[in-house]
Amino acid sequence: EAGVTQFPSHSVIEKGQTVTLRCDPISGHDNLYWYRRVMGKEIKFLLHFVKESKQDESGMPNNRFLAERTGGTYSTLKVQPAELEDSGVYFCASSPIAGSAYNEQFFGPGTRLTVL
Amino acid sequence: GNSVTQMEGPVTLSEEAFLTINCTYTATGYPSLFWYVQYPGEGLQLLLKATKADDKGSNKGFEATYRKETTSFHLEKGSVQVSDSAVYFCALSDNLRVAGGTSYGKLTFGQGTILTVHP
Repeated sequence: EAGVTQFPSHSVIEKGQTVTLRCDPISGHDNLYWYRRVMGKEIKFLLHFVKESKQDESGMPNNRFLAERTGGTYSTLKVQPAELEDSGVYFCASSPIAGSAYNEQFFGPGTRLTVL
Repeated sequence: GNSVTQMEGPVTLSEEAFLTINCTYTATGYPSLFWYVQYPGEGLQLLLKATKADDKGSNKGFEATYRKETTSFHLEKGSVQVSDSAVYFCALSDNLRVAGGTSYGKLTFGQGTILTVHP
């Protein structure tokens, strides 16, 4: 079974540019989460999709960040325009709902974003 | 809100030494507690978990006990190996009831502890 995949693995852009990160969850996982780790600090929650609906977007830092999950499969996270403080590693995770309770979140390898 | 405070690193040990990484938390209600590990070049992996007070999670020789009275979930291993070198994250999650079942909610992480084990 393929794990959570993220693309690209690295992205280097200049301040003011736009970047779109993609996450493909494990097939059949309805829950999809985005997290971010900035400069060696703690990993922080950004938002949570259940299928195509946003369950919780309380961690989104501002309106420069837009997340979508059309059709309830893969998700994109767009940063427009990017600022220096957006640099960090963006993680995606997925988990199932149906079946057993308390399902583990499976993480992707992350996308390292550098804004110059 | 929820928060996790984790022992600051880095931690450097010799092979076969005893490991403790402290973790304390603040949360309302009864969260589930986790330890995640990130090996070099890889994503986060769940190492162990505990869903209620006094539960002990264990995996690969690592253990952690959910202590509600001290709001702690310290990670221990009796004899570390070079292959245990990684970044360790303590985390907690509320439990959500969503359409179709029950899920963990968002994870709240500690700042991570870098462990290096030398031969």
